[in-house]
Amino acid sequence: ETGVTQSPTHLIKTRGQQVTLRCSSQSGHNTVSWYQQALGQGPQFIFQYYREEENGRGNFPPRFSGLQFPNYSSELNVNALELDDSALYLCASSTRTSNTGELFFGEGSRLTVL
Amino acid sequence: RKEVEQDPGPFNVPEGATVAFNCTYSNSASQSFFWYRQDCRKEPKLLMSVYSSGNEDGRFTAQLNRASQYISLLIRDSKLSDSATYLCVSRSGAGSYQLTFGKGTKLSVIP
Repeated sequence: ETGVTQSPTHLIKTRGQQVTLRCSSQSGHNTVSWYQQALGQGPQFIFQYYREEENGRGNFPPRFSGLQFPNYSSELNVNALELDDSALYLCASSTRTSNTGELFFGEGSRLTVL
Repeated sequence: RKEVEQDPGPFNVPEGATVAFNCTYSNSASQSFFWYRQDCRKEPKLLMSVYSSGNEDGRFTAQLNRASQYISLLIRDSKLSDSATYLCVSRSGAGSYQLTFGKGTKLSVIP
């Protein structure tokens, strides 16, 4: 196990609703990234947080937003849900000084939008 | 064009076979490369980093050709437990944690 925990593991929402996904990073890791993985695709970078600030963002609209807390845990918020938002949302933690490129992923939150 | 492209797969191989996965990347600014492994309905996990000099970890060998922007992964003596999706990954800079994943290639090792 990586020590990265995510909640909820599964959820179902309808179009237009809002969702909040949560992530607790591995002990000692101060950087959190979020990825979206659609069925049959590789994970796609949403954004990254370091010291409670967004520190890099992929090609996602502003209705995808996030937070990082002083204990390094994080939230991903998605407003105005669309059918295409149905995916596995992966949280990954790492240390700022790591040069290995290894991200430690949680098991993900599987979101279904109806 | 996708930034990281992989063989479409799936690859179905018998136990003991050697299998090779290929990957190309389009962003010449990419500095680091990796192979991640993802089991069915699980999270991705780092398999190995990829270096220009080539590197080996047991039955796994990774190669990087920067001139042709090509990455490969060779698995020798395939085991049933190697069945998974293999993701080719690039990173643009040492201080960046934005990983760009390929679509993945599914490997099934058959008894």
